[in-house]
Amino acid sequence: NAGVTQTPKFQVLKTGQSMTLQCAQDMNHEYMSWYRQDPGMGLRLIHYSVGAGITDQGEVPNGYNVSRSTTEDFPLRLLSAAPSQTSVYFCASSSGQLGNTIYFGEGSWLTVV
Amino acid sequence: AQTVTQSQPEMSVQEAETVTLSCTYDTSESNYYLFWYKQPPSRQMILVIRQEAYKQQNATENRFSVNFQKAAKSFSLKISDSQLGDTAMYFCAFMKPGAQKLVFGQGTRLTINP
Repeated sequence: NAGVTQTPKFQVLKTGQSMTLQCAQDMNHEYMSWYRQDPGMGLRLIHYSVGAGITDQGEVPNGYNVSRSTTEDFPLRLLSAAPSQTSVYFCASSSGQLGNTIYFGEGSWLTVV
Repeated sequence: AQTVTQSQPEMSVQEAETVTLSCTYDTSESNYYLFWYKQPPSRQMILVIRQEAYKQQNATENRFSVNFQKAAKSFSLKISDSQLGDTAMYFCAFMKPGAQKLVFGQGTRLTINP
């Protein structure tokens, strides 16, 4: 079972460059979300989606865009990377029932220089 | 807004000992879920245990159990017979009703020494 797959696992960007972190899940989950994890902090929600065509902002959305054209995919776009976006990014998915298990990808390490 | 606080940045115990990690949270909701996630050095987020707020009984999963005190808004994790593989960051998390969104605490780095 693939579960939640994130690519790339590691990326180095220069300030001002753009890139897309890919996320795919094969569990037919309605909910998908992106979190970032900074040193000394827990994960913080960037954006989330409750289904295809529906997205909303989380706690730290600035500098990121998302779209949800299919149930399976939920890419995260950095339009103009900044050093403050150096972080580990996690994609997650769940079936939408309160308390259901949220499945996380393995994380994508992004460094902006 | 909900907040989750873990007041122990680091803990260290000997193998086979019992250790308790603390977590407090703030919410005005009456129904919600609480979770403990384990993050080993690989960075994978692994669900350890979860608790439903409307259930009085504390959740248990093998060597892992929680002490859920709803009135005190406290949710501690007890690890019995600790093992070297328990070495990891542990995060307490809160789930708001109606959405699959987690609010995390800052984490506790647990080291199990041989």
